[in-house]
Amino acid sequence: DAGVIQSPRHEVTEMGQEVTLRCKPISGHDYLFWYRQTMMRGLELLIYFNNNVPIDDSGMPEDRFSAKMPNASFSTLKIQPSEPRDSAVYFCASTLSDLSYNEQFFGPGTRLTVL
Amino acid sequence: SQQGEEDPQALSIQEGENATMNCSYKTSINNLQWYRQNSGRGLVHLILIRSNEREKHSGRLRVTLDTSKKSSSLLITASRAADTASYFCATGRSGGSYIPTFGRGTSLIVHP
Repeated sequence: DAGVIQSPRHEVTEMGQEVTLRCKPISGHDYLFWYRQTMMRGLELLIYFNNNVPIDDSGMPEDRFSAKMPNASFSTLKIQPSEPRDSAVYFCASTLSDLSYNEQFFGPGTRLTVL
Repeated sequence: SQQGEEDPQALSIQEGENATMNCSYKTSINNLQWYRQNSGRGLVHLILIRSNEREKHSGRLRVTLDTSKKSSSLLITASRAADTASYFCATGRSGGSYIPTFGRGTSLIVHP
């Protein structure tokens, strides 16, 4: 398996533009997570899905952020409109069911810069 | 927040020395996991220790867990330059489901 795949790896955009980040989890994994990493706030959990259903989106910073998982092999995180403070590295991770004793597998991340 | 918090924030040592980093957390846990993040990459799982375990080894890694103090430590013995990375502990979020949440990490630099 190729592991968790994220695209794009780097994204530079201007304030106000829509940004869409993509993730393909490892096949067979039931859970998918979106994280945001910044120097100031560390690694923050934004939202996670179980079997394509959003379970907890309490970490989503505001309504400008939305996430979908239309099927077991694809998820998107959208920011509309983007702002400079959204600049961060966004990670997608997946894991098997029974979270308690399974490791998370992280993608390489998308480095987002909003000018 | 039920994040684990790593300490120290930064650690700089010479190759061959041991590196110790700590993690403190706030609530009861089922297990605690340690991850490594190399610069510009995603996190990679290192080791998991269950709440009924006190110590666990994996190669040059040694993890201890003290549930009475709500703390864990990660020891890397005979460090190598390739161990240079950030290290994170992950603990379960309170409220039922085990949803890993991470601290800010310890940045380790191993000088050759």
